[in-house]
Amino acid sequence: DFQMTQSPSSLSASIGDRVTITCRASQDITNYLAWYQEKPGKVPKLLIYAASTLQSGVPSRFSGSGSGTDFTLTISSLQPEDVATYYCQKYDGAPLTFGPGTKVDIK
Amino acid sequence: QVQLVQSGGEVKKPGTSVKVSCRTSGFIFTSYGFSWVRKTPGQGLEWMGWISANNGNAHYAQKFQGRVTLTTDSSTSTVYMELRSLRSDDTAVFFCARKPMGQITDYWGQGTLVTVSS
Repeated sequence: DFQMTQSPSSLSASIGDRVTITCRASQDITNYLAWYQEKPGKVPKLLIYAASTLQSGVPSRFSGSGSGTDFTLTISSLQPEDVATYYCQKYDGAPLTFGPGTKVDIK
Repeated sequence: QVQLVQSGGEVKKPGTSVKVSCRTSGFIFTSYGFSWVRKTPGQGLEWMGWISANNGNAHYAQKFQGRVTLTTDSSTSTVYMELRSLRSDDTAVFFCARKPMGQITDYWGQGTLVTVSS
């Protein structure tokens, strides 16, 4: 069964800190990797697609990198509104598995 | 404009079924596929399955295989998700989303809360 893993599962950081979340796929997915931000009661928000392409309207402090099986989401300067859970998802084809999520809050 | 409008919240008893609808507009329905995703407090975001509105081919997550069925009605541009044998841990918000094959999910419905309780 296809697996997506993320680390860490949660983190606390200070305002202005650089935050890095990693995502690993159990098989090569080239660059078919998206990152979502999820807040309670809201629709998941697409941040990054094709591993490194910033979705229109998303602040430039968010960036993505990686290919194959290993990917990274970076927030260059953490802001209060970035408190959320972040998920990676493969979208090349079924199964369209999500990672287990990384919960980010403010220290 | 593209819209995906889901049916309202439901309260169901354990062992029963729920069918959630997702009515779409603003694009050519049969040119797209649709995913269903659920959000539970304990499990985060879970992909449940995907269906092609062109030919009805569906793919299901192994976890839900045999318990979920996705269908489409091209006459009303609506996608349906039926989940059977409900348990209390199926309590979740269910989302439909437009997901072309090989492309990103680009539009989401507003979500439907299904509560399973005796």
